[in-house]
Amino acid sequence: DTAVSQTPKYLVTQMGNDKSIKCEQNLGHDTMYWYKQDSKKFLKIMFSYNNKELIINETVPNRFSPKSPDKAHLNLHINSLELGDSAVYFCASSQDLGYSPLHFGNGTRLTVT
Amino acid sequence: QQQVKQSPQSLIVQKGGISIINCAYENTAFDYFPWYQQFPGKGPALLIAIRPDVSEKKEGRFTISFNKSAKQFSLHIMDSQPGDSATYFCAASRRGGGADGLTFGKGTHLIIQP
Repeated sequence: DTAVSQTPKYLVTQMGNDKSIKCEQNLGHDTMYWYKQDSKKFLKIMFSYNNKELIINETVPNRFSPKSPDKAHLNLHINSLELGDSAVYFCASSQDLGYSPLHFGNGTRLTVT
Repeated sequence: QQQVKQSPQSLIVQKGGISIINCAYENTAFDYFPWYQQFPGKGPALLIAIRPDVSEKKEGRFTISFNKSAKQFSLHIMDSQPGDSATYFCAASRRGGGADGLTFGKGTHLIIQP
């Protein structure tokens, strides 16, 4: 019974391609996030959604576009992939916008060649 | 600008020993300080968290010590076990991290030697 699931687990693609990562949570949470973990394991917030509304939109290239079709899903679409986009992307969810813990998925390792 | 500084970058402790990881923050508006544990190939998982109204919080073998005036907090793992070997991240946020997101430290790779 996976709480936060991401697909695919691995994604290898060439520069210039467009790709999507999907995320689903079955915890009934209101808030979902995308975090990026770079090669040095540094974790940084990219986006958050609360009840399908965009809350956080950090300084990321506009090639990255999140979409939340409903409260349980948050997808990440990336256009014109670049070498520097290679990283592990984590989806997470929390009960609400307050002090509730984040539940992370197991990540999608994106490699751009 | 790194708002949460974590040290050490890596740590080796003998089984049964005490593991100590330190973090310092800059933003005095931060009011939530969680620690996350990450195993290889997995996402981070919340270990323990503290609010600035208390100076210490203990859950089993894990203790957070918090010093508001020094803007520092630390994680102590008592009786460290090989299963504790993982990467540990401190984090900080305003309003719990939902609205503003968590600001993470750079992580500590902990190895517990049997």
